[in-house]
This record gives sequence, C-alpha cells and structure tokens, in this order.
Amino acid sequence: GEDVEQSLFLSVREGDSSVINCTYTDSSSTYLYWYKQEPGAGLQLLTYIFSNMDMKQDQRLTVLLNKKDKHLSLRIADTQTGDSAIYFCAERRDFGNEKLTFGTGTRLTIIP
Amino acid sequence: DAGVTQSPTHLIKTRGQHVTLRCSPISGHKSVSWYQQVLGQGPQFIFQYYEKEERGRGNFPDRFSARQFPNYSSELNVNALLLGDSALYLCASSDWALFYEQYFGPGTRLTVT
Repeated sequence: GEDVEQSLFLSVREGDSSVINCTYTDSSSTYLYWYKQEPGAGLQLLTYIFSNMDMKQDQRLTVLLNKKDKHLSLRIADTQTGDSAIYFCAERRDFGNEKLTFGTGTRLTIIP
Repeated sequence: DAGVTQSPTHLIKTRGQHVTLRCSPISGHKSVSWYQQVLGQGPQFIFQYYEKEERGRGNFPDRFSARQFPNYSSELNVNALLLGDSALYLCASSDWALFYEQYFGPGTRLTVT
C-alpha cells in the first residue's frame, strides 16, 4: 500500500461527522473504493467511485474525489458507535485487472 | 444469498510446512482474488483468477501458488512456510459484468511458528 496513504487514527464524538482522507499517486486509477474492517473480520465494501466522478452519496456516506490533487475522502454523517472500525481506501488502476492497492487503513474511534 | 466463504478459519503451521487455503465465491461470480493482510497493514494483492486462468499476480515469491476449479472455487497454496507468512489471507469474488464490486470473505488467519 505504499502508493496509497491514509492517516492512521481518527477520533470523533458520537453524532458528529467523520471525515477520513486518502491520497493516491497513480493518475490512471479507474475506480476508488472504501472498505470497512471490524475486529477479526474481513473487508466490507462500503462504496466506490469512478474516476470521472467528483462526488457520490449513499445514505450517510459521501465520497469526494479530487483528481487534480489525487485526494479521496469519505464522510460519515451522524457517526454511531457501530461505525468504529478500520477504514481502507483502495485504488484499481488497470481496466480489466482486478488488483486493488490498499492504503494502511484509518482506525476510527467513536467517543460517547 | 451466501457471501464469500473461506476455510479454515484459523490455522497454525510450523516453519517449512505447506498450507492450502480454500475459497468459495458468491454464487454466479467467476472471478476470485487472493490478498495477504499482515497485522497492522492493508491487504496486499497475491493473485486473481477468472475462468480458471490467472489474470494477475502480485509481488510474491514462487512459494505462493493458486488455482481455480470448474465451479469457480479456488485454492491458495503456500510452500516452505516462513514466520513472515503469518497473516490474514483474504479471498474476494466479483461478477465480471460488475467487476468494479469486489466482495471479501472473512479470511483465514494463518499463524506460522
């Protein structure tokens, strides 16, 4: 994941919005993803965005993509205790090749 | 519908041994990918198979091999295990028509002693 960078930790009060950031380096990335991993579990696909889009909203989740700066963010509205997890961004570079390159993950902690 | 399933859940092996991990994709999915997740890191791509053919390979030594069966299930084999192979091994499946959605299984936790 050396080409995809994320902050390691984020703490947010319950009910506030969480914003998790990610930067990537390959401008040829076609799709960008957000996955959630709870302790001892696999990865849950939260949402993804195609590289020709700027924004995607899905219920409490909003993804923003700035291709010029190669910056991706995930906003979680009204953060709940069940949102505590590690969040990974991932990029897919080659059309037809399913390899995903992951960041190191951001651990989101919810403060009651 | 059942999601991606993997077996076994946990495994403990000794250095030098061989291990086989198994994955069953979501029904109708023909593509399977394998990832290694070392503790505290993001997953690293190992292989992708589609229609029983290798479509992608990550930067892993030849001790790692995989195959896909006619029913689209897959095996990951690792020979001559090293302590550094201890990790969570994740399998993901996707529908080629919706290839941008990859769904992961719960993983197999391999510990090498």
